[in-house]
Amino acid sequence: QQQVKQSPQSLIVQKGGISIINCAYENTAFDYFPWYQQFPGKGPALLIAIRPDVSEKKEGRFTISFNKSAKQFSLHIMDSQPGDSATYFCAATDRGSTLGRLYFGRGTQLTVWP
Amino acid sequence: EAQVTQNPRYLITVTGKKLTVTCSQNMNHEYMSWYRQDPGLGLRQIYYSMNVEVTDKGDVPEGYKVSRKEKRNFPLILESPSPNQTSLYFCASSLSIAASGRHEQFFGPGTRLTVL
Repeated sequence: QQQVKQSPQSLIVQKGGISIINCAYENTAFDYFPWYQQFPGKGPALLIAIRPDVSEKKEGRFTISFNKSAKQFSLHIMDSQPGDSATYFCAATDRGSTLGRLYFGRGTQLTVWP
Repeated sequence: EAQVTQNPRYLITVTGKKLTVTCSQNMNHEYMSWYRQDPGLGLRQIYYSMNVEVTDKGDVPEGYKVSRKEKRNFPLILESPSPNQTSLYFCASSLSIAASGRHEQFFGPGTRLTVL
């Protein structure tokens, strides 16, 4: 049973456009939602994260939008650049759980062409 | 430099030949984890460890073993590898959520394993 569902699987965006990746979850105990970015040949690295007490978090061109009632969150990349081409994973965890597990979505391969 | 290291980075082996992939972190993290990454399936957790001598199964533990004798090391053991274990493997570590409140996992560079 997949804890976090992510779409689309792949995304092609023109340079300067907006990239949008969506995720949904069912477990209402989840209270921390990070996004990881992975470049080819590298391990994933934390990009940005949000807690459910806010509806939006912005860091530079990257914004997470969070809808607690719908149990959905999304990553928006404004003014997308070729250097943003990577695989993006959403994730979720219950910080109160002693297990400390991160549950990942299946990933979105983003290609930004010039 | 704070990092997670894995060895080897690339490995080609044959069915049934036992192998170990090592993982080491120098950040004094309590939590360590192994994932496999396959196209279209994302990152699936194999095993994780909350601390020394404390390990538990993730979502896809069959065919794998782990041990946590020291805080910094978390080796992944394939006793009898099979072709369906051909994959890209990542080790990750983090502070406990209670300690950090942030739960950032730091990933190693990956080990690409091919089992013939």
